[in-house]
Amino acid sequence: SAVISQKPSRDICQRGTSLTIQCQVDSQVTMMFWYRQQPGQSLTLIATANQGSEATYESGFVIDKFPISRPNLTFSTLTVSNMSPEDSSIYLCSVGLSGINYGYTFGSGTRLTVV
Amino acid sequence: AQSVTQPDIHITVSEGASLELRCNYSYGATPYLFWYVQSPGQGLQLLLKYFSGDTLVQGIKGFEAEFKRSQSSFNLRKPSVHWSDAAEYFCAVVNRDDKIIFGKGTRLHILP
Repeated sequence: SAVISQKPSRDICQRGTSLTIQCQVDSQVTMMFWYRQQPGQSLTLIATANQGSEATYESGFVIDKFPISRPNLTFSTLTVSNMSPEDSSIYLCSVGLSGINYGYTFGSGTRLTVV
Repeated sequence: AQSVTQPDIHITVSEGASLELRCNYSYGATPYLFWYVQSPGQGLQLLLKYFSGDTLVQGIKGFEAEFKRSQSSFNLRKPSVHWSDAAEYFCAVVNRDDKIIFGKGTRLHILP
């Protein structure tokens, strides 16, 4: 299965600023996703990161707030823009694997606190 | 739309006791189902998955799950829990767009 390196692992940011989270995979993958986990909650899909094209956002999430880049099949970034305390969450990168290794692997997450 | 329901928000069991965590899904065809575990401050670790075939699936750490189509369930079981099993457990299903959708999770507490 794929190994995901996500950074930073945690950060404390001032409101109104932006943070970019990086997700590096050790192999080429087609499907890459970004999730948000608010305190004490389950995981909610933010968007699908598409290589070479604009990300596909889920209902309630917009590109201006969560711009995503996917320059190649092993790397993606998620930016949390103009942050407010309500953005304090864990953000997780995930990849979907096909074939014999079918499944979904997750990064260790970025714990974001906005003050 | 596809969805997953985990009816128990918290479960408390004594160390050494058996465990069953409930999961019900909503999906028109044969679902792809997963159980993940998240320890405090950690990412998600895959325990087991079901796609087809044998309805009793074995996973890591001594966990197993049984797929029951008639009940739309995929309950997670362990015959004897250890203190290290205390964590949050998530059941998940893959929807028609190949996106994984999570239940709200069950937090497992272990009594010594």
